[in-house]
Amino acid sequence: KNEVEQSPQNLTAQEGEFITINCSYSVGISALHWLQQHPGGGIVSLFMLSSGKKKHGRLIATINIQEKHSSLHITASHPRDSAVYICAVLSYNTDKLIFGTGTRLQVFP
Amino acid sequence: NAGVTQTPKFQVLKTGQSMTLQCAQDMNHEYMSWYRQDPGMGLRLIHYSVGAGITDQGEVPNGYNVSRSTTEDFPLRLLSAAPSQTSVYFCASSFDILQETQYFGPGTRLLVL
Repeated sequence: KNEVEQSPQNLTAQEGEFITINCSYSVGISALHWLQQHPGGGIVSLFMLSSGKKKHGRLIATINIQEKHSSLHITASHPRDSAVYICAVLSYNTDKLIFGTGTRLQVFP
Repeated sequence: NAGVTQTPKFQVLKTGQSMTLQCAQDMNHEYMSWYRQDPGMGLRLIHYSVGAGITDQGEVPNGYNVSRSTTEDFPLRLLSAAPSQTSVYFCASSFDILQETQYFGPGTRLLVL
């Protein structure tokens, strides 16, 4: 079983829909990252969380440390949000990032 | 700032050839790392460095060497390429592993025949 699991693997949405991507992990962590990989391949950091909730524009990330779960929400989705969203946890024991396999999001106009 | 740069963008090698993937950053970051990305798998750590002169192995180091003679550069060497090393390689940097923003290079797509 992977240490970081994301769901769903693939997601399609109509423009304007509210999107939720989930990440569950099985190791002790210092922090959790959400990243975005563009269709061209480039990877961009979106958030780092160690507790609670963060918001940047239409993106909201939450984490529940007790349940070992994080969610990334996109409000009022837009075709330019189409990308692969990757969850990565910073292992408390090894100080190394462990990556999920990503969620591919396609938003249609 | 150019950020994190990687060269080449794309490379084809024959089995047994050697090559070096270049990575450079101009943000004075201490922490640099190399990952490989394969279909259906998350990024996996190959090697990392916490500062000039200091390197260590990640999850999948076999077949790769690194060195860190300067803060800016962190090249990845494939000693004798194998088809299993066909992948997309990403270099990343940050001030330290706890930094909120991890900066990734654009990636190098490597095909080993």
